Amino acid sequence: DTEVTQTPKHLVMGMTNKKSLKCEQHMGHRAMYWYKQKAKKPPELMFVYSYEKLSINESVPSRFSPECPNSSLLNLHLHALQPEDSALYLCASSRGTVATNEKLFFGSGTQLSVL
Amino acid sequence: RKEVEQDPGPFNVPEGATVAFNCTYSNSASQSFFWYRQDCRKEPKLLMSVYSSGNEDGRFTAQLNRASQYISLLIRDSKLSDSATYLCVVTPYGGSQGNLIFGKGTKLSVKP
Repeated sequence: DTEVTQTPKHLVMGMTNKKSLKCEQHMGHRAMYWYKQKAKKPPELMFVYSYEKLSINESVPSRFSPECPNSSLLNLHLHALQPEDSALYLCASSRGTVATNEKLFFGSGTQLSVL
Repeated sequence: RKEVEQDPGPFNVPEGATVAFNCTYSNSASQSFFWYRQDCRKEPKLLMSVYSSGNEDGRFTAQLNRASQYISLLIRDSKLSDSATYLCVVTPYGGSQGNLIFGKGTKLSVKP
């Protein structure tokens, strides 16, 4: 069982909807991540938060808006998405940043479908 | 040349077989190396880190060859439960913090 919890597990939304994905970890990790994974492709990094501050934004469109309310929580706010944004969205955490050889722990993901 | 390359497979092997996967990386200054396992429609899970001296965890052995820039994973006595996609993952030295580079994965199917 993963120690990174993501909700909801599945989400269907229209292109005009606003929704949020949530992620929570209680391992005391100080780095948290959002990845996007399309079928039969590897995960693609979207955002990295380090000590609750956004440290990496991999040129993600503004219709995706991350938020880190505290060291245990990470949200991804969605607005005006496109059908091509349908994917598995994975949250992950690590004790520090991966550059220091820290291991990444993934949540089970949110399977998002945009109609 | 892609940053991390893997043979996509699928590797179809019988139970009990020994199977090996290789992975090559393009950045000679890469710092950290991992094998992750991902089951269908599930999240990736860390299988093992890969160290220069090689490391073993039960039926799994990982090797790193920095001179040739490749990483290998050997699975002995394959089990049905080993069926999954195996992702080779590299952290580039001096790269963006948190920017793991994933290979596209090698699919393994272990048959009875």
